[in-house]
Amino acid sequence: EDQVTQSPEALRLQEGESSSLNCSYTVSGLRGLFWYRQDPGKGPEFLFTLYSAGEEKEKERLKATLTKKESFLHITAPKPEDSATYLCAVQADSITNTGNQFYFGTGTSLTVIP
Amino acid sequence: NAGVTQTPKFQVLKTGQSMTLQCAQDMNHNSMYWYRQDPGMGLRLIYYSASEGTTDKGEVPNGYNVSRLNKREFSLRLESAAPSQTSVYFCASIHLKGRSNQPQHFGDGTRLSIL
Repeated sequence: EDQVTQSPEALRLQEGESSSLNCSYTVSGLRGLFWYRQDPGKGPEFLFTLYSAGEEKEKERLKATLTKKESFLHITAPKPEDSATYLCAVQADSITNTGNQFYFGTGTSLTVIP
Repeated sequence: NAGVTQTPKFQVLKTGQSMTLQCAQDMNHNSMYWYRQDPGMGLRLIYYSASEGTTDKGEVPNGYNVSRLNKREFSLRLESAAPSQTSVYFCASIHLKGRSNQPQHFGDGTRLSIL
């Protein structure tokens, strides 16, 4: 069964305190892993796509990495404006999923304190 | 650049009432999706439409119906609303072609309360 698990559920950081969010996945064939940012009252906003193990993507203070079993979203020297919920999603190729479905984790709620 | 537009943004219903949530995208995407988001549950797929003229059930389809009206529009209908359907509903779209792995684009949601 295709499954996505994110940890921790919530994370509080001091401004400037770097940390990482984890997304572990179980799929028979990975077509893509996606990271989104979601602000309160808004829809998820796309951040990164990762396709294969060893791949890395960066954007400002965020860096996403991918292994065969998990992805990390590293946040370097975060600022209060980085406070949001970060969602991970997997697009899988399998007998039960033709690639038309995406499986989401429950998200990590990040709070950065000034 | 509107992207994915959902209406209404907020709605309160009484148990047993019906309503339709509307979604439209202007990105010429072929596939559209309806999700619900509940605390601690993440985004769960209700229905999706891989292309115009087709719809398929997702993880939690019971109590819902959908219509892919045309390439741009995908509506979600609650025939007889129940308190368990209180949630935030998101519409998403994507252009799926072959083994493409593009991200979904989301609307800002409809916040629905059933009393």
